[in-house]
Amino acid sequence: GQQVMQIPQYQHVQEGEDFTTYCNSSTTLSNIQWYKQRPGGHPVFLIQLVKSGEVKKQKRLTFQFGEAKKNSSLHITATQTTDVGTYFCAGPEGGGATNKLIFGTGTLLAVQP
Amino acid sequence: ETGVTQSPTHLIKTRGQQVTLRCSSQSGHNTVSWYQQALGQGPQFIFQYYREEENGRGNFPPRFSGLQFPNYSSELNVNALELDDSALYLCASSFVGPSDEQYFGPGTRLTVT
Repeated sequence: GQQVMQIPQYQHVQEGEDFTTYCNSSTTLSNIQWYKQRPGGHPVFLIQLVKSGEVKKQKRLTFQFGEAKKNSSLHITATQTTDVGTYFCAGPEGGGATNKLIFGTGTLLAVQP
Repeated sequence: ETGVTQSPTHLIKTRGQQVTLRCSSQSGHNTVSWYQQALGQGPQFIFQYYREEENGRGNFPPRFSGLQFPNYSSELNVNALELDDSALYLCASSFVGPSDEQYFGPGTRLTVT
C-alpha cells in the first residue's frame, strides 16, 4: 500500500542550529501538506505545496516539493525552543485530489536551549 | 485554536466494551475525517464523512463505524474494544474539495485495559 516515510525519526539540536526533515512517498502526489504536533497536542496545519519544484517560506521555515512530486522537505533555520514538536508530512490517499490524508512517520525535533 | 471540539478528553474502557467518541466541526465545514494515532506514530486515516455519508475508509475493521449529523458534527463508534485500540483519536474538519487543509480537534485519549 501507499507509504509516506520521513527521516530522521528524531533530531536533537542546540538552539540556533538548523534542522531539516525529509519526506518520501511511494506514489506521486498531487499535493503535500505539512503539520506540526506539539507534545501532548494535536496536528496543526503549516502549509500545502502543489506544484512540482515549489518552494515556500514561512519566516524561518522553508518547504520544498520535489520535481517528481514524490518527496518534500522542511528546513528550519536557527531553531528556537518553540520549534519543539513532531513534524509530519501528509499526502492524499492514492496520490490524487482528495483530502483523505496519509501521514508520514514524523520527525520529532528536540531543541536544547 | 481551530474551533473543532472533541469529547471526552480521556476515556478508559475494558476490552470487549463499546465506545462512542464525539466531534463538533468548525463552523461552515461539511466534511469530517477521523484518525487514530498510536503513541509515537503518525495519524492513521479511519474514515471520512461528507454530508452525512461515508466518503472513504482506511484499513480499519467494520467494528469501527461512524455517523455524521445534519449539523455536521460526528461520532466514532468502536465495538468489541481490543487492547490495540488504545490511542489518540483525532477528528479533523474541512471543506469538501481537493486538498483542503484539515483542522484537527484536540483528540480523545482512549485507553483499553
